Amino acid sequence: GDSVTQMEGPVTLSEEACLTINCTYTATGYPSLFWYVQYPGEGLQLLLKATKADDKGSNKGFEATYRKETTSFHLEKGSVQVSDSAVYFCALINTGTASKLTFGTGTRLQVTL
Amino acid sequence: GAVVSQHPSRVICKSGTSVKIECRSLDFQATTMFWYRQFPKQSLMLMATSNEGSKATYEQGVEKDKFLINHASLTLSTLTVTSAHPEDSSFYICSAAGGRGNQPQHFGDGTRLSIL
Repeated sequence: GDSVTQMEGPVTLSEEACLTINCTYTATGYPSLFWYVQYPGEGLQLLLKATKADDKGSNKGFEATYRKETTSFHLEKGSVQVSDSAVYFCALINTGTASKLTFGTGTRLQVTL
Repeated sequence: GAVVSQHPSRVICKSGTSVKIECRSLDFQATTMFWYRQFPKQSLMLMATSNEGSKATYEQGVEKDKFLINHASLTLSTLTVTSAHPEDSSFYICSAAGGRGNQPQHFGDGTRLSIL
């Protein structure tokens, strides 16, 4: 079946540091890929998405590129802020699953001053 | 756009009571709605998927009679936790997706349920 693997956290960074959260996936067909962010005590917010190979999703300084050859969708940001502290979930929706998400386990990011 | 409202955000009840959680898509028609449960510091666990006007599809291990789901319209789904007990205490999150194909899910802010 489909699966998503993302790096374990927590990831602790100083403000303005570079961020990379690795995500790889296993899926048949042509899944769409997503990054969601969850702030403490809240639901998930869609951060960015990519629907086909080589697409780059970007939002709020974050970006991720759909790499079919390496089955990866790594999340990157050039300069993190304290307000970016949250849990980040990589996920996919595969064709014909009626929007059913397959999640990674989540990566907690903590940014300090 | 794509706002999902979940209510209540927090509820504290005595053991044995039933609790209803509402999930509304405010600015789009939700073809499919999903209910999740999240334990502390863990990922989301899908409980059930519902389509408007149809019976919900429950994931393995989720008690249908315990967690009643109704998807009465294209903008509203409800989850009722019947005869709740302390072990049902958790963070419940709904999401909604509209249209066809691999549409992203849009999430509510979650409900913190505490059963005393």
